[in-house]
Amino acid sequence: DAKTTQPTSMDCAEGRAANLPCNHSTISGNEYVYWYRQIHSQGPQYIIHGLKNNETNEMASLIITEDRKSSTLILPHATLRDTAVYYCIVRGDNYGQNFVFGPGTRLSVLP
Amino acid sequence: GAGVSQSPSNKVTEKGKDVELRCDPISGHTALYWYRQRLGQGLEFLIYFQGNSAPDKSGLPSDRFSAERTGESVSTLTIQRTQQEDSAVYLCASRTGQGRTGELFFGEGSRLTVL
Repeated sequence: DAKTTQPTSMDCAEGRAANLPCNHSTISGNEYVYWYRQIHSQGPQYIIHGLKNNETNEMASLIITEDRKSSTLILPHATLRDTAVYYCIVRGDNYGQNFVFGPGTRLSVLP
Repeated sequence: GAGVSQSPSNKVTEKGKDVELRCDPISGHTALYWYRQRLGQGLEFLIYFQGNSAPDKSGLPSDRFSAERTGESVSTLTIQRTQQEDSAVYLCASRTGQGRTGELFFGEGSRLTVL
């Protein structure tokens, strides 16, 4: 079972920031938070991951709360091409652990 | 190649036939995953290979499903006696074994339709 909960869907206006929340209240100390997205008819695409510090890359920013029980993925200037299903995944750093995908959040960026 | 390659991209088969789906991971990636995604649904974990370790088969839905991987290269997912509920996109992903937090790289999937 997925260890995360996310809203089923969200809308965002084009050009505005999209803030996608994720709850992971049972996260343990060695577990990372990963974000992937899946654009229609394509394989999922890695976005970003973090342990406890906030992270930023060319695609997005990841804000993790101090208690690590929740996080927010931020797309600073959403475009129509960002319309996709966004998956928040919690995974330990053990080689043997697989990535468990929940249903994700369907983000619709509106013109 | 530069990315994860899967073949065939589309497969239509009749109920009861066997099918083989192939995945070529990124060169050097020691970990390989298979997922199933039914229409409008999320990703369902099937099986995971990591180097020479025994694969994690905990996600295989029935004994009609099996997968093999030769060393750290190609993997084949085999579905025997296909059923209509096997219709889905089968996604393969690989990741490097260098470092514990390597990201997954997905292929574009093999779309299976069982008539």
